[in-house]
Amino acid sequence: DVQLLESGGDLVQPGGSLRLSCAASGFTFSNSAMTWVRLAPGKGLEWVSTISGSGGSTYYADSVKGRFTISRDNSKNTLYLQMNSLRAEDTAGYYCAKQYSTAVSDNRGYFDLWGRGTLVIVSS
Amino acid sequence: DIVMTQSPDSLAVSLGERATINCKSSQSVFYNSNSKNYLAWYQQKPGQPPKLLISWASTRESGVPDRFSGSGSGTDFTLTISSLQAEDVAVYYCQQHYSAPLTFGGGTKVEIK
Repeated sequence: DVQLLESGGDLVQPGGSLRLSCAASGFTFSNSAMTWVRLAPGKGLEWVSTISGSGGSTYYADSVKGRFTISRDNSKNTLYLQMNSLRAEDTAGYYCAKQYSTAVSDNRGYFDLWGRGTLVIVSS
Repeated sequence: DIVMTQSPDSLAVSLGERATINCKSSQSVFYNSNSKNYLAWYQQKPGQPPKLLISWASTRESGVPDRFSGSGSGTDFTLTISSLQAEDVAVYYCQQHYSAPLTFGGGTKVEIK
């Protein structure tokens, strides 16, 4: 089956850290750019970060730049999001998504496969 | 950044009737070089992840019922559900992939009247 499965979401205090994982199966993981998208309560979808298939290129939303780090292990078919200095406004469901890139640089595309998401709550 | 504005925020439609969702971008998402609109539509049902419905503004993904259609060009786009079914209750989002950062509309919630 083609699927993505996130894990690692939790309740964390402001200023804390968390690492999300996304296990991929059913497709050639290393050929696909991968992205994290979040959905905060009462808000719409927000692009967070994208990594190219090789892992050599990464892109971040301004709201998380310098605090979040996206990475991947193609030998394990797994995507990661290291989240540091967490803020209340980072509270959201975090989805990993397989990107169909529409730019050579992988900084643009749409998302043809989504995981079920993992919940991050930042609160004291 | 390209701002995507959806309207309405929510709508209630009777079963079998037409539902129309609008999406407007703050600048054109049409590429002259390949004559494509860099616009996608997603459906998110309660408790489920988003699902890609339409790419390139009007190309329906495999397995998506033909009652879903996308239209428009440049800055104005529409997702139409020609005959609303109970299973279509969801939030619908548009997304532009014309320029970075990728941006989504705020979502339109579709309910049964």
